[in-house]
Amino acid sequence: QKEVEQDPGPLSVPEGAIVSLNCTYSNSAFQYFMWYRQYSRKGPELLMYTYSSGNKEDGRFTAQVDKSSKYISLFIRDSQPSDSATYLCAMSAPGNTGKLIFGQGTTLQVKP
Amino acid sequence: GAGVSQSPRYKVTKRGQDVALRCDPISGHVSLYWYRQALGQGPEFLTYFNYEAQQDKSGLPNDRFSAERPEGSISTLTIQRTEQRDSAMYRCASSLQEHNEQFFGPGTRLTVL
Repeated sequence: QKEVEQDPGPLSVPEGAIVSLNCTYSNSAFQYFMWYRQYSRKGPELLMYTYSSGNKEDGRFTAQVDKSSKYISLFIRDSQPSDSATYLCAMSAPGNTGKLIFGQGTTLQVKP
Repeated sequence: GAGVSQSPRYKVTKRGQDVALRCDPISGHVSLYWYRQALGQGPEFLTYFNYEAQQDKSGLPNDRFSAERPEGSISTLTIQRTEQRDSAMYRCASSLQEHNEQFFGPGTRLTVL
């Protein structure tokens, strides 16, 4: 079993829809949680960063962490065609914060 | 400013050959990371450095893989006696400090024939 599980999709939604992306994990030591966005043939780029449990909002993006359930989510409001990309969750533990464990990535397509 | 650069961008080699992949981090970044990404998968951690010190090499698949960062800047990932299963995108990232945002480079696509 992988430490981080993520549904690969693909997920196809119409423009303007609310998108929900999720990851589950097994290592209770994880404290730092990230969402990366990766466009085709590009490297991942950081979208959201949260520490421990709770919510964080940045524009149209909201990240949620539920440590009790070992479950993290990324919500995208008013989705745009430019949001079409692969979304990767990543996490790390204290004392080894450089070692990011990534999910498989979910491919999202937002149709105009 | 300049981002993380990697060279070569593409490398085709024959099975059994050694290859060296280079990463040039963002200037001033203390931490440097190596990942391997298979098609349709997320990046898989290989190893990382703070300055010239290798902090964690638990992700290196076997002893054919090694990495160094002798002067705390440029890093080289070396794969000896390459095998077809080594074919993948190798990505380098760097960050200002260990717990900061990791900035990824464009990757080196390695193909072992």
